[in-house]
Amino acid sequence: GENVEQHPSTLSVQEGDSAVIKCTYSDSASNYFPWYKQELGKRPQLIIDIRSNVGEKKDQRIAVTLNKTAKHFSLHITETQPEDSAVYFCAASTQAGKSTFGDGTTLTVKP
Amino acid sequence: GAVVSQHPSWVICKSGTSVKIECRSLDFQATTMFWYRQFPKQSLMLMATSNEGSKATYEQGVEKDKFLINHASLTLSTLTVTSAHPEDSSFYICSAPSGQGRNEQFFGPGTRLTVL
Repeated sequence: GENVEQHPSTLSVQEGDSAVIKCTYSDSASNYFPWYKQELGKRPQLIIDIRSNVGEKKDQRIAVTLNKTAKHFSLHITETQPEDSAVYFCAASTQAGKSTFGDGTTLTVKP
Repeated sequence: GAVVSQHPSWVICKSGTSVKIECRSLDFQATTMFWYRQFPKQSLMLMATSNEGSKATYEQGVEKDKFLINHASLTLSTLTVTSAHPEDSSFYICSAPSGQGRNEQFFGPGTRLTVL
C-alpha cells in the first residue's frame, strides 16, 4: 500500500518568515496530493492541492511543488502569520479517492 | 461546496456498549465514503471504504466484526463500534469524494467517542 512520510514533525518560525513542509510517497499510482490544515478537534481543511500532471501551484501565500520522479511534494507558506499556527497534513490519493496521510507537522508561528 | 455531516458530534458510552455514527452527504450523492480514525496528536488513519450497495472494504488490521459499516443509500453511511472499549476512544471522521472524476474529499466534522 501507499506510505507517506512527512517532515518535520514540528516547526517553529517567526512571524513573517517562510515555512516549508516536505512529504514523500511510495505508490506511483497516487495522482492527487492535497494539503490540509487541522485545528484541534475539527475536521481537516483543504488549503491547497496538486495533481500529478502539474509541477507547481500557488495560491496567495501558499504554494505546493511536486516532483513525480522523486515522489516528493512540498508545502511552502510565505509571510507566515500567527493564525497559520496549526497542524498540517499532506496526503497522497489515488483516482478512487482513497487517501493516505502523513503524520502531520505542528507549525507554530511566533509573533 | 459539498457538505458532509456527521452525527453525533460527540458521544460518551460505557464499556461493552455499541455506538452508531452517521455520515451524510447533504447536497450530493456518494457511492463511496471513507471512515478514518484519529487518536490524539496523531494522523488520520483510514479504517475502511464504505460502498453503497455492497460490502465495505477494510484496511489491514481493522476488525470488520467490531467496526460495522453500512452504506444504506447514496447519501448515508453508518459506522457502528460494537462492544466498545476505552481503547476505541478516538475522533472518527468520514469523508466523501467529490466525484465527477475529481479526487477532492469532503470531510465530515468528526465524532468524538469516549468510552468509559
